[in-house]
Amino acid sequence: DGGITQSPKYLFRKEGQNVTLSCEQNLNHDAMYWYRQDPGQGLRLIYYSQIVNDFQKGDIAEGYSVSREKKESFPLTVTSAQKNPTAFYLCASSVRDKTYEQYFGPGTRLTVT
Amino acid sequence: AQRVTQPEKLLSVFKGAPVELKCNYSYSGSPELFWYVQYSRQRLQLLLRHISRESIKGFTADLNKGETSFHLKKPFAQEEDSAMYYCALSGPNFNKFYFGSGTKLNVKP
Repeated sequence: DGGITQSPKYLFRKEGQNVTLSCEQNLNHDAMYWYRQDPGQGLRLIYYSQIVNDFQKGDIAEGYSVSREKKESFPLTVTSAQKNPTAFYLCASSVRDKTYEQYFGPGTRLTVT
Repeated sequence: AQRVTQPEKLLSVFKGAPVELKCNYSYSGSPELFWYVQYSRQRLQLLLRHISRESIKGFTADLNKGETSFHLKKPFAQEEDSAMYYCALSGPNFNKFYFGSGTKLNVKP
C-alpha cells in the first residue's frame, strides 16, 4: 500500500483539547475527503476539497475544521466543540475524471477521554 | 435526502453458493453507484462502479432505477470473498459520496 497516508494510526486525547489528524497523498489527486466511521453507520462525509485552497462541508462538519494549502495535504482538526469525537477517521483522495475512484488511507482511530 | 441502505449487516453463505448483497438508494436525480470492499487488514478499495458496466472478481451489479437498487451478485462465492462490502452513491458531479452501513460477507468452507 502507498499513495495516501494517515498518521498516527491511534490517537488519544483528553476532552477539551483540539487534535489534528494528518492526511497526505502523492497520487497527484485533486480531490480529497474526510470520513468518519462509527460502528453500524458506515462512512459519513465530514469535509471534502476539490482543489487547493477550497473545501466544502459534508454532512457532519460541525466540530471539525480542515485546510487545503497544498494539493497533497488535507489535515483534519477535531475541535473541542465536537460532542462525540471518539471514532475511526478515514481520508480519501480521487482524480476528477469520470471514474472518480476514491483511494483510501489506512485510517486513524481517535479516542477522547 | 440522499441515502444508501444496506439491509443486511451480516450475510453467511457456503463456498460455491450464489451470493447477493443488497443495496437500495434514495436520490433525487441520476446517481452514480459504486461498490467498495474492505478485506481483513486491508484498506477500503473500489470493487466496481456502475458507470463502467464491469465485472470484477466475478461480481456484477445492475442498477435498477425502478426499484432504486444496485445489488451486488456473484454466482459462486469463494472463501476469499469474505470481507466487508459498502455500497456508495454519488451525484453527477461526483462532489460528494454517500456510503451505506456495510454488509459483512462470510463465505464458509
